[in-house]
Amino acid sequence: NAGVTQTPKFQVLKTGQSMTLQCAQDMNHEYMSWYRQDPGMGLRLIHYSVGAGITDQGEVPNGYNVSRSTTEDFPLRLLSAAPSQTSVYFCASRRPTPQAYYYTFGSGTRLTVV
Amino acid sequence: ELKVEQNPLFLSMQEGKNYTIYCNYSTTSDRLYWYRQDPGKSLESLFVLLSNGAVKQEGRLMASLDTKARLSTLHITAAVHDLSATYFCAVDIESGGGADGLTFGKGTHLIIQP
Repeated sequence: NAGVTQTPKFQVLKTGQSMTLQCAQDMNHEYMSWYRQDPGMGLRLIHYSVGAGITDQGEVPNGYNVSRSTTEDFPLRLLSAAPSQTSVYFCASRRPTPQAYYYTFGSGTRLTVV
Repeated sequence: ELKVEQNPLFLSMQEGKNYTIYCNYSTTSDRLYWYRQDPGKSLESLFVLLSNGAVKQEGRLMASLDTKARLSTLHITAAVHDLSATYFCAVDIESGGGADGLTFGKGTHLIIQP
């Protein structure tokens, strides 16, 4: 199993450019999510999805769009990049059990907006 | 607003010493998660604590949960250099339909010196 795969690993964008961060999982998890990690801030939830066709906002959704057309993929779109979006982005899926959720994180995408 | 506070945020210690990282949270969640992150890497799940009084141990790390005090601790026994990393605690963001995702503490950057 590959787990959660994120591409690209590194990206540099100019202010105003758009791009899509890709996330794919092969564990048949219904739930997927995106976090951003900034120095000294921990990880913050951007958007999440509890299944194909269903998405919702997290703590810091502004400037980001998502869609979920398949169980496997959950892309994150930046329509007009801003320097404030410079961050490391992690995608995560999770496996539910009756007691708790078990999250699997991707390896991250380091994005710099200049 | 759910808050998760870790302390200390930075810890430098010598090999062989013991120390404890504290995680306070503001919700009534019965579940708490601990993750480890090495520089430039993804998050590795260490412990999932499921109930009041839960204690889990793995090697030199032991985690506990007191849901009444809304406090979790991560205790390091006889630290070794390989434990140098950033440690995060996290709590479920609960909504009526289940957990939306995780709220993370800011992380404890741990350096263990010979």
